[in-house]
Parts: sequence; structure tokens; C-alpha cells
Amino acid sequence: GQQVMQIPQYQHVQEGEDFTTYCNSSTTLSNIQWYKQRPGGHPVFLIQLVKSGEVKKQKRLTFQFGEAKKNSSLHITATQTTDVGTYFCAGPKGNEKLTFGTGTRLTIIP
Amino acid sequence: DSGVTQTPKHLITATGQRVTLRCSPRSGDLSVYWYQQSLDQGLQFLIQYYNGEERAKGNILERFSAQQFPDLHSELNLSSLELGDSALYFCASSAGASGGRQETQYFGPGTRLLVL
Repeated sequence: GQQVMQIPQYQHVQEGEDFTTYCNSSTTLSNIQWYKQRPGGHPVFLIQLVKSGEVKKQKRLTFQFGEAKKNSSLHITATQTTDVGTYFCAGPKGNEKLTFGTGTRLTIIP
Repeated sequence: DSGVTQTPKHLITATGQRVTLRCSPRSGDLSVYWYQQSLDQGLQFLIQYYNGEERAKGNILERFSAQQFPDLHSELNLSSLELGDSALYFCASSAGASGGRQETQYFGPGTRLLVL
């Protein structure tokens, strides 16, 4: 079945450094969504990408959808302590439910 | 605040027991999803309901069941509980039935279940 893998599983960065998480699907995705879960919190929707090669930015966050629509990345420039949390990508499985990636847990070292 | 509510926030019970988790979707949302998140694990999709009908099923155990009522709130029933069922259970809602093809899911705060 469809799998969505994310790397790395954990990332520790110094505050101010950049951070990137990568998402790879075994099958082509019609779209990809990104969610952020703060420690002790619930997943919160960040963005959705639909088009092949699409790039979207939200302030210091840059999201990319691969040309083949099988991979995606989230890049954070100049991390801040508020960026702490686990970042999940998610893609639809077949015509229905979202399949969530394994997540990347970001820790910021002040 | 996502607009999705879940009760209770915390639940402690013993093995072999049965519990019911409750979820109220955002106003106007017709789909409800249940997820299980174990320690250091990702989100495992359990089941989706759309407007009262089961829409999609994930890795939900036979000991678990769910339903969505006419007022669109949903309940997840967990029976014959085992230690390994200890986890965070999230409910999410979305407007339509597609479950993520083009829709955002809004997550509730979760119910933390501890089975002793």
C-alpha cells in the first residue's frame, strides 16, 4: 500500500539555523498537505500543494512539491524557538483518506 | 482553537475495560476522522464517517468501533482494552467527504488514554 516516509525523524538545530524535512511517497499524490504539531498539542494545517513543481512560501517557511508529485519538502529559514514541534506531510490515499508521513521532530537549541 | 471538541481530555482505565471517546466536529463539517497517535509515533488513521455513514476504514482493530450521530458528533468505542491501546486519540473534521483530496482536516485537542 501507499507509504509516506519523512526524513529525518529527528532534527536538532541551533536557533537561527535553517531546517529542512523531506517527504517521499511510494505513489503519485494528487496533492500534499503539511501539518505542524507542537509538543503536547494537536496537528494544525499549514498548507496544501497541488501542482507539480509548486512552491509556496509562508514567511520563513518554504514548501515544495516535486515535479513527479511523489515528494515534497518543507524548509524553514533562520529557525526560532516557536518553530519547535513535529512536522507531518500527508497525502491522499486513493480517493479518500489522508495518509500521514512519519513526521520530523524539530528541536531548537537556544 | 480549531472548533473541534473532544471529551474527555484524559482517561485512565484498566485492561479489559471499555471506554467511549466523544468528538464534535466544526460547525458545518460533515466528515469526522479518528486517529491514534502512540508515543513517538505518527498519526494512524482509524476510520472516517461522512454524514452518518462510514466512509473509509484504516487500521482499526475489531475491538474498536465508531459511529456518527444525526447531529454529526461522533463516538469512538474501545473495548477489551490492552496496555498497548494507551495513546492519544485525535478526532478531525472536514467539510466534505473527500477526506483530503482537496480538503483541510481540523484536529481536536485529543483524548489521552492510559490503560493500566
